[in-house]
Amino acid sequence: AQKVTQAQTEISVVEKEDVTLDCVYETRDTTYYLFWYKQPPSGELVFLIRRNSFDEQNEISGRYSWNFQKSTSSFNFTITASQVVDSAVYFCALSEEAGSYQLTFGKGTKLSVIP
Amino acid sequence: DADVTQTPRNRITKTGKRIMLECSQTKGHDRMYWYRQDPGLGLRLIYYSFDVKDINKGEISDGYSVSRQAQAKFSLSLESAIPNQTALYFCATSDFSTSGGLDTQYFGPGTRLTVL
Repeated sequence: AQKVTQAQTEISVVEKEDVTLDCVYETRDTTYYLFWYKQPPSGELVFLIRRNSFDEQNEISGRYSWNFQKSTSSFNFTITASQVVDSAVYFCALSEEAGSYQLTFGKGTKLSVIP
Repeated sequence: DADVTQTPRNRITKTGKRIMLECSQTKGHDRMYWYRQDPGLGLRLIYYSFDVKDINKGEISDGYSVSRQAQAKFSLSLESAIPNQTALYFCATSDFSTSGGLDTQYFGPGTRLTVL
């Protein structure tokens, strides 16, 4: 079974719309970390956020916000007022204490923001 | 200058050839990783190294080998390249935080490898 599921393979939105990228994870560890990375068309991987399992506080950074809910094993990412520069593939990843903190990635969600 | 560099950035080679991908970092991190990315599959871990004397296989190590020449250098080799090793390869580094637990992995720019 996948440990990190990003059910949305591709999403298209019109500029200025809000969009939420879903991430559902599976782990038996009590200590784990969740990440989001952005991969723009240029190909590099850009770190966006890290959350540990003991901190369910939601976070906002500019137009980006993250909703971590242990009860549903989800770590969703919302972009408010999307811009063309947000077009990228977004990866959610899990790191578990029992797995020596190796990163397990979801398959990614390709976001296209249409002007 | 970039903290994590990869050379070459692009490489085209033929089946059966030996090829080495190199990764260098100036972040001072102990841990280094090699991943490959295939369309629709996300990133998968090939090998990782927690220090110069510690090398570990990842999810998909068959057909690959690695060498940790120094804290700052971690090389990935394909002894006899085959077409299904065509992929985008990423190197990453991380450290162990002083408060205990994981530090974030930071990625190099990637190497696009094509095996004909």
